[in-house]
Amino acid sequence: QVQLVQSGAEAKKPGASVKVSCEASGYTFTGHSIHWVRQAPGQGLEWMGRISPKSGDTIYAQRFQGRVTLTRDTSISTAFMEVTGLRSDDTALYYCARGWGTGHLDYWGQGTLVTVSS
Amino acid sequence: SYVVTQPPSVSVAPGQTARITCGGNNIGTKSVHWYQKKPGQAPVLVVYDDSDRPSGIPARFSGSNSGNTATLTISRVEAGDEADYFCQVWDNTNDHRVFGGGSRLTVL
Repeated sequence: QVQLVQSGAEAKKPGASVKVSCEASGYTFTGHSIHWVRQAPGQGLEWMGRISPKSGDTIYAQRFQGRVTLTRDTSISTAFMEVTGLRSDDTALYYCARGWGTGHLDYWGQGTLVTVSS
Repeated sequence: SYVVTQPPSVSVAPGQTARITCGGNNIGTKSVHWYQKKPGQAPVLVVYDDSDRPSGIPARFSGSNSGNTATLTISRVEAGDEADYFCQVWDNTNDHRVFGGGSRLTVL
């Protein structure tokens, strides 16, 4: 069965960086894009960007451009999201999700809580 | 960039029908997808491509899309349906995914 398993919770200080992993199993990793979505406390879902594992091609939401980097390692079927220059308003649950063409996100990771506090 | 708008809240009594809307300019020309989000859980896809259901999603969940409004309909609402629901589309102008702000369904 398709599974996306994310790395554990992180606590960071303002200005630091964080890198979250998303290990895929149960399907061909290079056959689907991986998207990253976050939910801040009391807020809605916010799409951050996506990576195509086969080509490494990435696209980012404008507000994250330059501060978020998406990468992948096809040898271990894992996608990564790094956020630099963390601020308190980056405190959120971060999810990876499998993309289906230009459409929906059909499988989601369990989420990784990133807390940014001094 | 494309914007989709949802009502912040929808309330319905158990056994009744809930309708959650997602508005956008000519959204009827796009494919709309819906997610259920409960506290402490990852989002779950409940309807995709306007009206298709993933396996395991009850037939009580259905969707439609026309003109400037897409609608998620939940029939015979149960207490367990209480959650936040988000619509999502693909913005073909910039290859971005766009989420609505979410609608909290309260079962009275």
